[in-house]
Amino acid sequence: SQELEQSPQSLIVQEGKNLTINCTSSKTLYGLYWYKQKYGEGLIFLMMLQKGGEEKSHEKITAKLDEKKQQSSLHITASQPSHAGIYLCGAAYAGNMLTFGGGTRLMVKP
Amino acid sequence: DGGITQSPKYLFRKEGQNVTLSCEQNLNHDAMYWYRQDPGQGLRLIYYSQIVNDFQKGDIAEGYSVSREKKESFPLTVTSAQKNPTAFYLCASSTTGTYSNQPQHFGDGTRLSIL
Repeated sequence: SQELEQSPQSLIVQEGKNLTINCTSSKTLYGLYWYKQKYGEGLIFLMMLQKGGEEKSHEKITAKLDEKKQQSSLHITASQPSHAGIYLCGAAYAGNMLTFGGGTRLMVKP
Repeated sequence: DGGITQSPKYLFRKEGQNVTLSCEQNLNHDAMYWYRQDPGQGLRLIYYSQIVNDFQKGDIAEGYSVSREKKESFPLTVTSAQKNPTAFYLCASSTTGTYSNQPQHFGDGTRLSIL
């Protein structure tokens, strides 16, 4: 969707390295969801951000939503092969369904 | 365990044939959704339903049809009018149809291919 852009489209990192995935909206978000997908499988919910400036962490994954509620980042610390997959952000705009970004394909080299 | 079950996992369609993808949930969710995912792309909304016996078109509804006769079931029919049906189809459900602080839960998907 042109409303929601994810970057980069793909990422290859060495195991142990940190990485960041970005999700940028053309308009103010009501909420932002991060999901992870393994190839050929469904989406696994990671985190939801709703408040400007909010930050949440789960294990080695941290997600932030900027103060203007138009950009979110997903940061993985000390990446592992288990982190490999497709990361998708989904945006909620007032009154609408979720709009998804194009996804970021992450590969972690052992 | 509660969850969403999609079947079959793989489906093949012949020219001119309608096929139906099954989606069942036992999460007691009111809202259900169907998405299409093409290679290297995000999800696009086909249809959604916020309550039994009611459903709305999403962004790419042409060539698809749905029904919502039961709360737990939301089958998707890919009709012969859909000229490019090859894709990965994902079903999801949530507690409400409009935005809430609860995430959508997803099934494992059905991969549809043309014979």
